[in-house]
Amino acid sequence: NAGVTQTPKFQVLKTGQSMTLQCAQDMNHNSMYWYRQDPGMGLRLIYYSASEGTTDKGEVPNGYNVSRLNKREFSLRLESAAPSQTSVYFCASSENGSADTQYFGPGTRLTVL
Amino acid sequence: KQEVTQIPAALSVPEGENLVLNCSFTDSAIYNLQWFRQDPGKGLTSLLLIQSSQREQTSGRLNASLDKSSGRSTLYIAASQPGDSATYLCAVPRYSSASKIIFGSGTRLSIRP
Repeated sequence: NAGVTQTPKFQVLKTGQSMTLQCAQDMNHNSMYWYRQDPGMGLRLIYYSASEGTTDKGEVPNGYNVSRLNKREFSLRLESAAPSQTSVYFCASSENGSADTQYFGPGTRLTVL
Repeated sequence: KQEVTQIPAALSVPEGENLVLNCSFTDSAIYNLQWFRQDPGKGLTSLLLIQSSQREQTSGRLNASLDKSSGRSTLYIAASQPGDSATYLCAVPRYSSASKIIFGSGTRLSIRP
């Protein structure tokens, strides 16, 4: 039981490049989330998926897109990376929304030059 | 707008002391409150989840209390150990909706041997 896994762990991009962050969970959870964590700003919700087939915007969605590929996988795409997207990205899951405990992945450290 | 505040931002105490971490929120219409631990370079680990109808939750040496009317939660750590050194974050979903999860900036705790 691996919990929540994320790939890659580290990534360096140049401004304008695109990439997709992958997330998978093996706990049969319905809800999945993407957060970014920045010094002095705390954790902020980018997008979430309450259940398979649904996605919705969080607090800071601009510049990102998501895909809930199936119940296990939730990916985050940066179409044209900007230096302001330099951050640590965390994926999380819960059984059913924010009523339940959230389980976090180990994070992806992204630097955009 | 819900705001979550954790004071102090950093705390250093000698091993063996009992200590209290604070979390304040501005809107008492919360569904639950969660406490997390984050080790450097790692993801978040859930410690305790208190439902809005509960006053406290306990897990081992940890005890979390919730006072909705005053907008406050505390995390009590008994007999602190060096392994408790980490950043502790609280998070509040406004209702049973992932779009409204707000995290505090955390308290960085250091336990001196």
